[in-house]
Amino acid sequence: IAGITQAPTSQILAAGRRMTLRCTQDMRHNAMYWYRQDLGLGLRLIHYSNTAGTTGKGEVPDGYSVSRANTDDFPLTLASAVPSQTSVYFCASSRRGSTDTQYFGPGTRLTVL
Amino acid sequence: GQNIDQPTEMTATEGAIVQINCTYQTSGFNGLFWYQQHAGEAPTFLSYNVLDGLEEKGRFSSFLSRSKGYSYLLLKELQMKDSASYLCAVRDSNYQLIWGAGTKLIIKP
Repeated sequence: IAGITQAPTSQILAAGRRMTLRCTQDMRHNAMYWYRQDLGLGLRLIHYSNTAGTTGKGEVPDGYSVSRANTDDFPLTLASAVPSQTSVYFCASSRRGSTDTQYFGPGTRLTVL
Repeated sequence: GQNIDQPTEMTATEGAIVQINCTYQTSGFNGLFWYQQHAGEAPTFLSYNVLDGLEEKGRFSSFLSRSKGYSYLLLKELQMKDSASYLCAVRDSNYQLIWGAGTKLIIKP
């Protein structure tokens, strides 16, 4: 079944640890996005990639990094986790880029203690 | 700054009609999206408006007035499964999506 998968589903992490959230899509979409969703706030864009080999910063990029080595995968890395990074993280993709509708993965619930 | 406003929570009765409003102030406008998000799940696409007027899709309709910076999502013949959060998002001049905090819709029998 075509779509977006994310791993892990949930994770509890000690502060200071490094963590990579995985995102894979099999729809051959060009653009991919990472958002965080916090209670009472709208989705906030962390990083995006309009095509393989390129990435860009969103609204809240500090403390996060991404890479886009190929079309399908877009991992998000927290180099040294802090409690304020406790959130639900959603990966999304769109077919051609920022002009297209975005489709979301199931999310990763991350708790940093 | 950029801002999307939606009511935090609304309650409606099964079988009735509900209108969820969204007002926006953004740097540019390149379309408005509505998404549905059930608790603990991913947002799913409902509708897209880029021109003024009403777009109808089954029980759901979405309206846009660009001059007023205003949209609404209309849900008819409400069902219990419509209990969810409804997210309004505007694509700005940089083609980035700016998201509202969402409206939690509670359906009562």
